[in-house]
Amino acid sequence: GENVEQHPSTLSVQEGDSAVIKCTYSDSASNYFPWYKQELGKRPQLIIDIRSNVGEKKDQRIAVTLNKTAKHFSLHITETQPEDSAVYFCAAGFQKLVFGTGTRLLVSP
Amino acid sequence: DSGVTQTPKHLITATGQRVTLRCSPRSGDLSVYWYQQSLDQGLQFLIQYYNGEERAKGNILERFSAQQFPDLHSELNLSSLELGDSALYFCASSVGGSLTRLSSYNEQFFGPGTRLTVL
Repeated sequence: GENVEQHPSTLSVQEGDSAVIKCTYSDSASNYFPWYKQELGKRPQLIIDIRSNVGEKKDQRIAVTLNKTAKHFSLHITETQPEDSAVYFCAAGFQKLVFGTGTRLLVSP
Repeated sequence: DSGVTQTPKHLITATGQRVTLRCSPRSGDLSVYWYQQSLDQGLQFLIQYYNGEERAKGNILERFSAQQFPDLHSELNLSSLELGDSALYFCASSVGGSLTRLSSYNEQFFGPGTRLTVL
């Protein structure tokens, strides 16, 4: 069935460093790739998304890249801040979203 | 605040019981999605409704069922509850979700979740 793999499961960085989270997906029909941020006990919130007709998208300190041939996409956070600490989920889908297992990002001051 | 509401916020019940979780989508959204998130787990897609009709199904157990009403709110019914059903249940809504719109997939906005504890 459809599967989305996400790595790493945990990521610790120093404030100001960059963080990269990578996902691969199995369903070649997937055309929508959102990233969600979930703080402890709260709802997932969409932070950025990309569609299959675009290779890269940037929004301030956050960027996402997509390689449809290789079926992988990545989230890049630059100049990380302590408030970036959360669990990040990637997802891929066409009709329904399949989520990755999440990456716990810890940004130390 | 995403505009998606869920009730109740917390629910504690016993094994074998039945519960109903409620979700009201954002104004104007036609699709409702249900997800289960167990402790330290990712989001498991359960089911999607679009304008009252079931549109997509995920790993939803036969003991679980859902429906979307004419006013577009949705209910998730969980029966014969087991300890392993304890989880956060999120609903999300989006404007679209039609199979005919192959080139568009609307953003999903999540509600605050219902935390279900089965004792």
